[in-house]
Amino acid sequence: SQKIEQNSEALNIQEGKTATLTCNYTNYSPAYLQWYRQDPGRGPVFLLLIRENEKEKRKERLKVTFDTTLKQSLFHITASQPADSATYLCALPPKDAGNMLTFGGGTRLMVKP
Amino acid sequence: DAGITQSPRHKVTETGTPVTLRCHQTENHRYMYWYRQDPGHGLRLIHYSYGVKDTDKGEVSDGYSVSRSKTEDFLLTLESATSSQTSVYFCAISEPPQTYEQYFGPGTRLTVT
Repeated sequence: SQKIEQNSEALNIQEGKTATLTCNYTNYSPAYLQWYRQDPGRGPVFLLLIRENEKEKRKERLKVTFDTTLKQSLFHITASQPADSATYLCALPPKDAGNMLTFGGGTRLMVKP
Repeated sequence: DAGITQSPRHKVTETGTPVTLRCHQTENHRYMYWYRQDPGHGLRLIHYSYGVKDTDKGEVSDGYSVSRSKTEDFLLTLESATSSQTSVYFCAISEPPQTYEQYFGPGTRLTVT
């Protein structure tokens, strides 16, 4: 089965800097990969989806890359703000089951003013 | 929360009692999912549904059953609750193939004493 690895240690950065979070996976390469944001006490919120044939995708201050050779996705937040503090989850569909998702454990981001 | 409600939001119950959690959506999405989220394990899929009366097991289905008699409602039942089922439960919806992202409800915090 697919194993998804995200840094379980919190990432602390200064406001205005770029935050970079990593999602590594093993085994097969998925058709797409998704990133979610989760605030304490709330459900995850979808941010971005990147397909296997896309190297990079952007949405406002967010950028996601997808390297199927390295089996890795990077999630960047530029000009980070304290309001970006949250846990960020990556998620992949299992092989042959495109309508389900397997989630990584998430990385907590803390942006300090 | 994309027209998804969960009830109850909090529940404390005793070991051995039956518990039913409800997920209600107003988006008319075909797919509905039940996850549990625990520290150290992240989000794990319990069961999912791909239509009325169409359900299937997820990664951690033992001890849980589901039912979907209407498009808008997806019920999760713990027939005989155990302390290991203390968790936060999230419902999610999606509408593949138009979109593969999932939209989550606010969650139900269940404590089994």
